[in-house]
Amino acid sequence: GAGVSQSPSNKVTEKGKDVELRCDPISGHTALYWYRQSLGQGLEFLIYFQGNSAPDKSGLPSDRFSAERTGGSVSTLTIQRTQQEDSAVYLCASSLGVGRLGSPLHFGNGTRLTVT
Amino acid sequence: KQEVTQIPAALSVPEGENLVLNCSFTDSAIYNLQWFRQDPGKGLTSLLLIQSSQREQTSGRLNASLDKSSGRSTLYIAASQPGDSATYLCAVMGSNYQLIWGAGTKLIIKP
Repeated sequence: GAGVSQSPSNKVTEKGKDVELRCDPISGHTALYWYRQSLGQGLEFLIYFQGNSAPDKSGLPSDRFSAERTGGSVSTLTIQRTQQEDSAVYLCASSLGVGRLGSPLHFGNGTRLTVT
Repeated sequence: KQEVTQIPAALSVPEGENLVLNCSFTDSAIYNLQWFRQDPGKGLTSLLLIQSSQREQTSGRLNASLDKSSGRSTLYIAASQPGDSATYLCAVMGSNYQLIWGAGTKLIIKP
C-alpha cells in the first residue's frame, strides 16, 4: 500500500509484559514520528527520526520506552514492563522532510494498546 | 513553551452551512501549521499545511488562513456535508520539528 502501515492494529497485554509496535512509513519518507493519544487527550509527541541523524527522544515518558528505525525505514517502538497508564493509541507518521520543506505528515491508523 | 488552543471544543451545525474553526498558538516562531481530521477509530488525515511565509491555503471546500503575528489560524469549511463530521486538529511545527497539537474541535454536521 501507499500509506503508513502500523501493526498490530490492536494489542492487549498484561501489566509487566513487554510490547513491540511496528511502523512502515511511506517509501522515500525520511522523517518518522511516533505519537500517542490517550482517551480524551490530545496527541503527545514521543520520538522523531530524520534520516541518519540521532533521533529526538525528548518526548519519551520514561526509560521503559525506546524506539529504533532500521535502515532508515521501518521503525519499532518498544515498551518494557508495561503499566496501565501506557494504554493509549500509538500513532506513527512519516513525511518527506521537515520544517521549511513544508511536507505534511501522513499518519497510520495507529495501534490501540490496552494494558490489563 | 508553545501552547495550541482550539475553540470551540465541539460544534454542531445543519448541513449546508459555512463554518469556521479556530486555532490559536502562543509562540509565533513556527515553521508551519497543519490542519488534520480524525475519524473515529482511524488515524489522522492531513487536510492543509500552511508554511510560515504563507497566509492561506485552499483545497476544495476548505480554506485555512494563518496570521503569525496574532498567533491565529482558521479553517473555513464551505457548504458543510454530513461527511465532514469528524474531529479537526490543528498542529504547529516549531524549531525542533515537533508538532504541538490542539485538543481538537469535534464537528457534527446534521443532515
